[in-house]
Amino acid sequence: DAKTTQPTSMDCAEGRAANLPCNHSTISGNEYVYWYRQIHSQGPQYIIHGLKNNETNEMASLIITEDRKSSTLILPHATLRDTAVYYCIVRAPNSGGYQKVTFGTGTKLQVIP
Amino acid sequence: KAGVTQTPRYLIKTRGQQVTLSCSPISGHRSVSWYQQTPGQGLQFLFEYFSETQRNKGNFPGRFSGRQFSNSRSEMNVSTLELGDSALYLCASSQSDRAKAFFGQGTRLTVV
Repeated sequence: DAKTTQPTSMDCAEGRAANLPCNHSTISGNEYVYWYRQIHSQGPQYIIHGLKNNETNEMASLIITEDRKSSTLILPHATLRDTAVYYCIVRAPNSGGYQKVTFGTGTKLQVIP
Repeated sequence: KAGVTQTPRYLIKTRGQQVTLSCSPISGHRSVSWYQQTPGQGLQFLFEYFSETQRNKGNFPGRFSGRQFSNSRSEMNVSTLELGDSALYLCASSQSDRAKAFFGQGTRLTVV
């Protein structure tokens, strides 16, 4: 499985954009990048995913570099409720019906008032 | 649409006992995955089931097992509990292999 590397922690001022980077240099051509977040003591929450193109939804934007070796999750206007651990995940290829998800240590985002 | 439901939410067991945790996926979701989360190890993949078949398994001892029923509901069992098994156990369901996964609130297991 492709591994991901994320900064351990980041701070962001409330109302500003939060840019969370993720390196996945060993990603293979058919692997997707997924982002989840986990607010304290709750189950992880899906945010967004993408393969090659940039993606945007009501929660965030995902920017994937052209070589696909890194990506950035953007929360356009961070609020205190966005304080959470953010996980960048690369899904293994669906070979023979098998799927495995590896969570890294994630980035703890602290939104500061 | 109801979310992923895990029961019980909290559980206290004694070393040596066994425990069964339950997960009801979102209606229509056929894939169910289980994870263990501890402060020291983070989120670790346990196993994944699809249409009653275990398709992948993480690096856990044989004391950890699971199954999936025809209605996609899943259970995981841990036998001969150890103190180190104390953790938050999370279940996630998805519609297809690459679909986004929806997590339940988890079962917090404490082994004393």
